Amino acid sequence: DAKTTQPTSMDCAEGRAANLPCNHSTISGNEYVYWYRQIHSQGPQYIIHGLKNNETNEMASLIITEDRKSSTLILPHATLRDTAVYYCIATRGATNKLIFGTGTLLAVQP
Amino acid sequence: NAGVTQTPKFQVLKTGQSMTLQCAQDMNHEYMSWYRQDPGMGLRLIHYSVGAGITDQGEVPNGYNVSRSTTEDFPLRLLSAAPSQTSVYFCASSYLRAMDSSYGYTFGSGTRLTVV
Repeated sequence: DAKTTQPTSMDCAEGRAANLPCNHSTISGNEYVYWYRQIHSQGPQYIIHGLKNNETNEMASLIITEDRKSSTLILPHATLRDTAVYYCIATRGATNKLIFGTGTLLAVQP
Repeated sequence: NAGVTQTPKFQVLKTGQSMTLQCAQDMNHEYMSWYRQDPGMGLRLIHYSVGAGITDQGEVPNGYNVSRSTTEDFPLRLLSAAPSQTSVYFCASSYLRAMDSSYGYTFGSGTRLTVV
């Protein structure tokens, strides 16, 4: 699985969009980009995933660059409940094995 | 409710004791896995299974055994507990292929294990 690099922490004002970057410059053609988050002490929660195209669901949008070397998770209107550690993971869809890195701690400020 | 059920939620063991952490899912997911999370750290993969009768090691398998006799259950056995195994253990399941699911992994709520 490709290594991913994320900032250690980020702040965001409540009500504003939170843009979380992830670098995966060694990603291979059959690897998906997954995003999960973990709110304090709880099990991680799936947010979104994609292969090449941008994706959107009720939680977030995923923007993947054309060369697939980086991606951005967008929470359109961050709330205090979005404060969590966000993990970006690149993995092959066939095995679905997820190896978690250290993630980005997003702190949403009132 | 559909999901991943882990039992027990809390456990205290003495060094050298053995125990089994239970994990069950009712979503007919082929893939199941176990993670541990130490305080202030990320999740580390212990063992995983892609279907009944098939298991494989993850990043930190030493001191743990697994088996997968049914699609629904994936128990994790601690053979001889050590203080270094004090951690929060999460079980997760998913469909085997990403394109078969819009929901990724479903995680259980965790088992908090203390070994004294």
